Amino acid sequence: DIQMTQSPSSLSASVGDRVTITCRASQTITNYLNWYQQKPGKAPNLLIFAASSLQSGVPSRFSGSGSGTDFTLTISSLQPEDFATYYCQQSYNTPRTFGQGTKVEIK
Amino acid sequence: EVQLVDSGGDLIQPGGSLRLSCAASGFTFSNYWMHWVRQAPGKGLVWVSRVNSDGSIRNYADSVKGRFTISRDNAKNTLFLQMNSLRAEDTAVYYCARESAVLGRYFDSWGQGTLVTISS
Repeated sequence: DIQMTQSPSSLSASVGDRVTITCRASQTITNYLNWYQQKPGKAPNLLIFAASSLQSGVPSRFSGSGSGTDFTLTISSLQPEDFATYYCQQSYNTPRTFGQGTKVEIK
Repeated sequence: EVQLVDSGGDLIQPGGSLRLSCAASGFTFSNYWMHWVRQAPGKGLVWVSRVNSDGSIRNYADSVKGRFTISRDNAKNTLFLQMNSLRAEDTAVYYCARESAVLGRYFDSWGQGTLVTISS
C-alpha cells in the first residue's frame, strides 16, 4: 500500500496568513493526488484534484502543486471559514490512501 | 444537483451484522465507480471498499476483507455495504463517495455519513 505522510499534523495561524501543508507519498504517484477539507461533523469536501486542478466552486486562494512523491497545498490568505482539517489522498492505485490530516487552528 | 444520502447506521453488538445504504440522485449512477470511506471518532479518513460501475469489480481494505461486501443496484441508484462479524474497531462514521475520472481520479461527491457503533 502507498503511505501518505502529511506535515505538519496541526498548525496555528491568523486570518490573512499564508499557509502551506505538505504531503509525501511512499512511492511515485505521478499527479494522482487530491486534497480535501473537512469541518467538524461534516463530510470531506474536494478542494484540489490531480495535484493542481482547482475543483469548481473552490476559492482561488487554494492552490496545489507537486508531482511524483512530494506535494503542497497552499492557502494564500487564510480566511475564517478555512479553519478545518485538510487531508491529502492518492488515487494512483488501490487501496486509495489518505494522509493523517492537518488541523488548521486559529492563533 | 448531485446528492448522496447515507443511511443504516446503528448501535450493534460485536459479532453482529448491518447493511448500510447510499441513495444517489442528480447524476447517472451507473456511470460511476463508488466507494465507502470511514472515520473512527476523532481519527482520520480510511478507505474501505470500492465497486465499479456495473458491480463486477470489487475491492476491499485488508481490515474488512472477508467480512464486508460492497454491492450496488443501478436500477434503484443505490450503493450498499453489508457488514458482518462486526468488531469494536469498526466503529466509525461511514461515508459513500462518488469517484470522478475526468482529468484524474477523485471523490467529488460524498454522502453525509452514517454512524456505526459496535459495543456490547
